[in-house]
Amino acid sequence: DADVTQTPRNRITKTGKRIMLECSQTKGHDRMYWYRQDPGLGLRLIYYSFDVKDINKGEISDGYSVSRQAQAKFSLSLESAIPNQTALYFCATSDGPGNEQFFGPGTRLTVL
Amino acid sequence: KNQVEQSPQSLIILEGKNCTLQCNYTVSPFSNLRWYKQDTGRGPVSLTIMTFSENTKSNGRYTATLDADTKQSSLHITASQLSDSASYICVVSAGLGGSYIPTFGRGTSLIVHP
Repeated sequence: DADVTQTPRNRITKTGKRIMLECSQTKGHDRMYWYRQDPGLGLRLIYYSFDVKDINKGEISDGYSVSRQAQAKFSLSLESAIPNQTALYFCATSDGPGNEQFFGPGTRLTVL
Repeated sequence: KNQVEQSPQSLIILEGKNCTLQCNYTVSPFSNLRWYKQDTGRGPVSLTIMTFSENTKSNGRYTATLDADTKQSSLHITASQLSDSASYICVVSAGLGGSYIPTFGRGTSLIVHP
């Protein structure tokens, strides 16, 4: 079984819709991250959380929000999706600063 | 500002050939550097980690080097295989007193042709 799972794996939506991407992990890690990946730009950090009561903005948080429902769950929301949020989204976990990050399989989001 | 630059952006080689990918960074204070491999449509997976005191580390046909003085790292792939086709991402983490968030390079896209 996968240690880091993401749902849905693919989603097509329309401009203005609210979208939630979910991430669950069984690794027991405290740290969780949300990234988006665009061709030629690499992985960019949206939000991160170091424990259940900790939420921090990354470099591109505008237009996104997150919720850390439990140690194992970290959700990313797009309140009103726009076409330039079309991208591949990855969730990741780690168990300490500088430690290896374990990535989920990704969610491909298309906003029409 | 912490930055990680990778070169080349993309690379095409024939199966069986060797290649070297480069990574330059300005992350301070330096803690460690990782190389990740990302297959198309999948999440990145760590290949190797380099700490300040390490110059070379191998993982099968992958050999990473680190020059902490010049802040450069390389990933050498020997006897390439079709399965090496992927994006290779250099990620640098800062140490105590720095940001606890790793800095990602944009990756090098490697295509291995038969």
